[in-house]
Amino acid sequence: EAQVTQNPRYLITVTGKKLTVTCSQNMNHEYMSWYRQDPGLGLRQIYYSMNVEVTDKGDVPEGYKVSRKEKRNFPLILESPSPNQTSLYFCASSFRRQGANEKLFFGSGTQLSVL
Amino acid sequence: GNSVTQMEGPVTLSEEAFLTINCTYTATGYPSLFWYVQYPGEGLQLLLKATKADDKGSNKGFEATYRKETTSFHLEKGSVQVSDSAVYFCALSDLQRDSSYKLIFGSGTRLLVRP
Repeated sequence: EAQVTQNPRYLITVTGKKLTVTCSQNMNHEYMSWYRQDPGLGLRQIYYSMNVEVTDKGDVPEGYKVSRKEKRNFPLILESPSPNQTSLYFCASSFRRQGANEKLFFGSGTQLSVL
Repeated sequence: GNSVTQMEGPVTLSEEAFLTINCTYTATGYPSLFWYVQYPGEGLQLLLKATKADDKGSNKGFEATYRKETTSFHLEKGSVQVSDSAVYFCALSDLQRDSSYKLIFGSGTRLLVRP
């Protein structure tokens, strides 16, 4: 089944404790992206990747890192989480490297709470 | 910059009622326009899209027409069902300097359909 898989679904952590949210897609997609969803703000892009070893900042990259060592995986890293990073996170991918001008496939989300 | 404005929710309707969710956009150029739907506990799914003025996107009984003169892309359905209860996001694709596209989302409109 074609899908974008995120883990974990729920995560509660404390300020400053490094964490990684994993994202994997099995569709051989070129483009991958991370979004955060906050009430009243919709989804905002954190980082994106147009290909292996190619990543770039989105609208809200502060406090986040990503890597794209393999085509299928695009982990989101919070080196020192803070409470303002409490949010619902989504990974997304699309076939073409140009990304979101066509259908984006989304993971089921990761609800992160930073205490 | 480019932006999307959606009507605030929640929208509460009885089953078989007519649905309209308003969406207007601000953009330079001619972006593609999208509606994504998020069912409870799931990631977003593409509902429909339109790529140029006067195009009508349609899927699962939902329709939206790309109106350049009013910069709008309102979502409509003639007869809603309880299973349509979800959050609906209007979005546009924004061309970046590196030739990738980013989705810019509205804040989302929650629809609740009562039996």
